[in-house]
Amino acid sequence: QSALTQPPSASGSPGQSVTISCTGSSSDVGGYNYVSWYQQHPGKAPKLLIYEVTERPSGVPDRFSGSKSGNTASLTVSGLQVEDEADYYCSSYTGGNNLRVFGTGTKVTVL
Amino acid sequence: DVQLLESGGGLVQPGGSLRLSCIASGFTFSSYAMTWVRQPPGKGLQWVSAISERGGNTNYADSMKGRFTISRDNSKNTLYLVMKSLRPEDTAIYYCVKDRRFGSESDSWGQGTLVTVSS
Repeated sequence: QSALTQPPSASGSPGQSVTISCTGSSSDVGGYNYVSWYQQHPGKAPKLLIYEVTERPSGVPDRFSGSKSGNTASLTVSGLQVEDEADYYCSSYTGGNNLRVFGTGTKVTVL
Repeated sequence: DVQLLESGGGLVQPGGSLRLSCIASGFTFSSYAMTWVRQPPGKGLQWVSAISERGGNTNYADSMKGRFTISRDNSKNTLYLVMKSLRPEDTAIYYCVKDRRFGSESDSWGQGTLVTVSS
């Protein structure tokens, strides 16, 4: 199972929005509404931001939102803050023996 | 609060074996599927293996199938990963993760344990 494709980097100034794409196939992203997004700060464990494409766990600011179109999912961070500078990973259920697959990761820089 | 505490990492020679453990607290362990996810130094996340709530269903990434075995002891709130025939490319931080459902997203992560495969 190949990793989902994300852009290596994205950036924005404080207050701006940044959108990260996550491209898979009809066997993963396009086939199921089980796409999730994780934020990872350096040296820390990942944290769940979005699940089931659009849902936010309690405690996650509504500045973070998710969407999906076809085989591509997206994470939008609105009103960028300095603390949003981190690595972001998408993940999808695959329905096969390789139950889940992660994206290649995107480093977000707040300028 | 959910707590996941991994242990068992360390330095092992190529071809060697290692058993990772993860003690869970703060939630009803037997009610949740669990997963191992790894992250090679400086690289991205890789899904390794998952086990259902009672242990009846297990899945593995292709590159680990036949070498890694996931198991759990619900009486001890503990998740395990036995790794055999280890290769240098298995070097990574291994995270113990709680899933919302088997195969679904991971809502709580441990701090990870580092496994280094080197001669």
